[in-house]
Amino acid sequence: GESVGLHLPTLSVQEGDNSIINCAYSNSASDYFIWYKQESGKGPQFIIDIRSNMDKRQGQRVTVLLNKTVKHLSLQIAATQPGDSAVYFCAERRAGGSYIPTFGRGTSLIVHP
Amino acid sequence: DTAVSQTPKYLVTQMGNDKSIKCEQNLGHDTMYWYKQDSKKFLKIMFSYNNKELIINETVPNRFSPKSPDKAHLNLHINSLELGDSAVYFCASSQSRAETQYFGPGTRLLVL
Repeated sequence: GESVGLHLPTLSVQEGDNSIINCAYSNSASDYFIWYKQESGKGPQFIIDIRSNMDKRQGQRVTVLLNKTVKHLSLQIAATQPGDSAVYFCAERRAGGSYIPTFGRGTSLIVHP
Repeated sequence: DTAVSQTPKYLVTQMGNDKSIKCEQNLGHDTMYWYKQDSKKFLKIMFSYNNKELIINETVPNRFSPKSPDKAHLNLHINSLELGDSAVYFCASSQSRAETQYFGPGTRLLVL
């Protein structure tokens, strides 16, 4: 079946480094992608999104890149801070569907001070 | 002010019991959702609901039922709880089905 998945379940970085979290999707009909951050004991929190007519979008310290050719999505976090430690989820939504996003498995980001 | 709130935060109960989890949003959103997150952090949609349409994930057992007294509330009722129901349940809301979802803090359910 089609799915959204992540390459690495855990990513450890040093404070100040840049982090890259990757996500692969398999449904070419997906037209909207979202990154969520989930801190321990809390619900997922929207970070940034991107539509399929774009290949890059920047926010505050975060950048999402979309490569539709290889169905790959990445979240780049600049100057990673301890407060960035969390589980990150990518989610995809399919054009013409129910508008409910399908979440990937999540990557745990650990930032060492 | 909390945008999406859930009660209780923790729920420990015996197999076979019936329980409810409450969700309220003060964002004025039209659509609310329930998700289940398992021990491996996988988030699975259970229900999507607005005043016009209930969308049910067909894999959800009919022991689970959403109940919406008004637009700001979507409660989750679970009958005959089973061990496999142990998980974290998240409520979420969005302005419309196509808009960004905002999640509540979760309810940690443990069935013994």
